[in-house]
Amino acid sequence: EAGVTQFPSHSVIEKGQTVTLRCDPISGHDNLYWYRRVMGKEIKFLLHFVKESKQDESGMPNNRFLAERTGGTYSTLKVQPAELEDSGVYFCASSPFYRGLYNEQFFGPGTRLTVL
Amino acid sequence: GDSVTQMEGPVTLSEEAFLTINCTYTATGYPSLFWYVQYPGEGLQLLLKATKADDKGSNKGFEATYRKETTSFHLEKGSVQVSDSAVYFCALYSSASKIIFGSGTRLSIRP
Repeated sequence: EAGVTQFPSHSVIEKGQTVTLRCDPISGHDNLYWYRRVMGKEIKFLLHFVKESKQDESGMPNNRFLAERTGGTYSTLKVQPAELEDSGVYFCASSPFYRGLYNEQFFGPGTRLTVL
Repeated sequence: GDSVTQMEGPVTLSEEAFLTINCTYTATGYPSLFWYVQYPGEGLQLLLKATKADDKGSNKGFEATYRKETTSFHLEKGSVQVSDSAVYFCALYSSASKIIFGSGTRLSIRP
């Protein structure tokens, strides 16, 4: 079974440009999460989809970030316009339908974003 | 809010040395606790977990015990190998269905 995949693996853009990151969750997983690690600090939660609906977007840093999950399958995270402080590694994770206190999240390899 | 604090790196050890990476947490209730690992060029992998007090998670020779009294979940391994070189993240599963991570500890093992 394929794991969580992310594209691209690495993106280098200039300040002010737009970048779109893509995440394909494990097939059948209703929950999809975005996290990011900036400047070697802790990995921080950005948002959580349940199917196509945003369950929790409390971690989105500002309105330059837009996440979508049309049809409840893959998700995109667009940064427009990108700023220097957006550089970091963006991780996507997915998990099956929530059934209890703990639901293991499976992580993708991440997209390394560099804003120059 | 919930938080995780882990020892800062980098940590450099010789092969076969004993490893401890300290981790403490702050949370309401009794969250599930994890250690994740990121090997060079790869994604985050769940290394081990513990879901209740006094549970011991173990995998690949690594162990961590959920200590409610000290709110700790320290990672240990008796004899590290070069292949253990990676970044290790302590984390907890919050009641809001998201994972709270520590800042990560980079571990380098010398042959």
